[in-house]
Amino acid sequence: NAGVTQTPKFQVLKTGQSMTLQCAQDMNHNSMYWYRQDPGMGLRLIYYSASEGTTDKGEVPNGYNVSRLNKREFSLRLESAAPSQTSVYFCASRGDYNEQFFGPGTRLTVL
Amino acid sequence: AQSVAQPEDQVNVAEGNPLTVKCTYSVSGNPYLFWYVQYPNRGLQFLLKYITGDNLVKGSYGFEAEFNKSQTSFHLKKPSALVSDSALYFCAVSNAGNNRKLIWGLGTSLAVNP
Repeated sequence: NAGVTQTPKFQVLKTGQSMTLQCAQDMNHNSMYWYRQDPGMGLRLIYYSASEGTTDKGEVPNGYNVSRLNKREFSLRLESAAPSQTSVYFCASRGDYNEQFFGPGTRLTVL
Repeated sequence: AQSVAQPEDQVNVAEGNPLTVKCTYSVSGNPYLFWYVQYPNRGLQFLLKYITGDNLVKGSYGFEAEFNKSQTSFHLKKPSALVSDSALYFCAVSNAGNNRKLIWGLGTSLAVNP
């Protein structure tokens, strides 16, 4: 039982490049989330998916797109990376009482 | 508007002393309350939650938290701090009736000194 997994762990991009962050959970949870974490700003919700086939914007969706591929997988795509997207990205899934379970994170640097 | 406040950016305690990390919240309806811990270069780990029932909830690693409805607080406590407790702690809340998203505090950095 791996919980929530994320790939890659680290990534360096040049401005304008694109990439997809992958997330998968094996807890059979319906809801999944993408956050970014920046110093002094806590966790900010980018997008979430309440169930397979649905996605909704969070606080900071600009510059990102998501795909809920199936119940297990929820990917985050940066179409044209900008230095402002340098951050640590976390994926999470939601349990029965709203507790969220987090992946280990992806540390992204955009040059 | 729903919100969570962690009034202290940093808390310093000596090893063996009791620790408290403060959290207050504002939410309409009944709250679901959570504490998470984040060790350096790691993801967030769930510590404990309050849903209903006993106001004192116990969680992982010897931590506990007390729900105080009148003061809208949910402070995290531990009777005897360890150096290994040094980490970043986050409080979060959701509305029981709208439970898809959590509202997060900005975090409190706990430093336990030997």
